Amino acid sequence: NAGVTQTPKFRVLKTGQSMTLLCAQDMNHEYMYWYRQDPGMGLRLIHYSVGEGTTAKGEVPDGYNVSRLKKQNFLLGLESAAPSQTSVYFCASSYPSTQFFGPGTRLTVL
Amino acid sequence: AQSVTQLDSQVPVFEEAPVELRCNYSSSVSVYLFWYVQYPNQGLQLLLKYLSGSTLVKGINGFEAEFNKSQTSFHLRKPSVHISDTAEYFCAVSDQGAQKLVFGQGTRLTINP
Repeated sequence: NAGVTQTPKFRVLKTGQSMTLLCAQDMNHEYMYWYRQDPGMGLRLIHYSVGEGTTAKGEVPDGYNVSRLKKQNFLLGLESAAPSQTSVYFCASSYPSTQFFGPGTRLTVL
Repeated sequence: AQSVTQLDSQVPVFEEAPVELRCNYSSSVSVYLFWYVQYPNQGLQLLLKYLSGSTLVKGINGFEAEFNKSQTSFHLRKPSVHISDTAEYFCAVSDQGAQKLVFGQGTRLTINP
């Protein structure tokens, strides 16, 4: 089992560009999540999904969109990137009560 | 809503010394509690969790934590640390059934030889 994988690992964008981060899990988990990690702030929830075809807002959803067309995939989109979105992004999937994390995507917006 | 406070942003200790990383939470409902570890340039790995039952929880790599409901704390301990324990440690809480985690700010554990 690969667990939770994230693509790409690194990306540099210019302000205003768009991109999509892909998260995939092979554990048949219903719940999936996107977080961002910034120094001194821990992890903050951006969006999450409780099952295929569903999405919901987390703590910091502004500037991001998500889609869960297939149970195993959860996509995070930035339509018009801003320097404030420079961060490390983590995806997670959840077995009842326990979340498993991917390796992260380091995004820099210039 | 839940919140988590990790009382120390950095903890330096000498190798083979004991360590305690402190975590306090607030919640109006019953909770699940977690400790995750993040090694440099890696994702988060589950160290241990409290769901119910015994308040002393043992995890991987010799770590343990004690759930104290009256003090709303879930402190992480290890009796003797190793250089390989150098990492950032995150405490997290969720209300039972909600499946959403709220994280603390993290504690950076540095082990000196």
